Amino acid sequence: QSVLTQPPSASGTPGQRVTISCSGSSSNIGSNTVNWYQQIPGTAPKLLIYSNNQRPSGVPDRFSGSKSGTSASLAISGLQSEDEADYYCAAWDDSLNVHWVFGGGTKLTVL
Amino acid sequence: EVQLVETGGGLIQPGGSLRLSCAASGFTVSSSYMSWVRQAPGKGLEWVSVIYSGGSTYYADSVKGRFTISRDNSKNTLYLQMNSLRAEDTAVYYCAYKGLVSGNYYTWCYWGQGTLVTVSS
Repeated sequence: QSVLTQPPSASGTPGQRVTISCSGSSSNIGSNTVNWYQQIPGTAPKLLIYSNNQRPSGVPDRFSGSKSGTSASLAISGLQSEDEADYYCAAWDDSLNVHWVFGGGTKLTVL
Repeated sequence: EVQLVETGGGLIQPGGSLRLSCAASGFTVSSSYMSWVRQAPGKGLEWVSVIYSGGSTYYADSVKGRFTISRDNSKNTLYLQMNSLRAEDTAVYYCAYKGLVSGNYYTWCYWGQGTLVTVSS
């Protein structure tokens, strides 16, 4: 069971806007920034969003992130077929026995 | 250019030991934050261990006392020594580096390609 909670699946049609939620607690999302990673099956995770809402160079502006309190969300607008992947939220945790926590992942299907 | 290349995975019997390596280039391991993250087949990402630039190390409860993270500065390489392996340790193991993503902001933005560890008799 993951420390951060994400819906296991999401879907949308090309051109639509989809959002993926990520719920945590005061020791992780509530006190640290959130990253989002995109993972194509069989490949390594790729940083999509850092510091809650910042995009690394090369990531399309169709991807955006936000955070409020102990929750965060990833939005993908203008959905494209190549966006079909698994998405993970992640945050550092200030608890003594954990450091880096992840969501369970959301499988995005483009219908 | 930053590169991380993991090696050392394979098939190992329960109770056995394995050492994973993560050869780094484009930055200095000894002055960096580095982690191991694993992903069991069909499952999500799970943090395993971290080593800070000062040498402090931390572990997930699931591997504490069995796994050891270390680095060889002369080889610019990160290691994960895994002892007393269990079936539930079966996963792809990734090394990750907290690198410069923009301006002066560092985050966990670099990952290796992963190495598969299968614990089975």
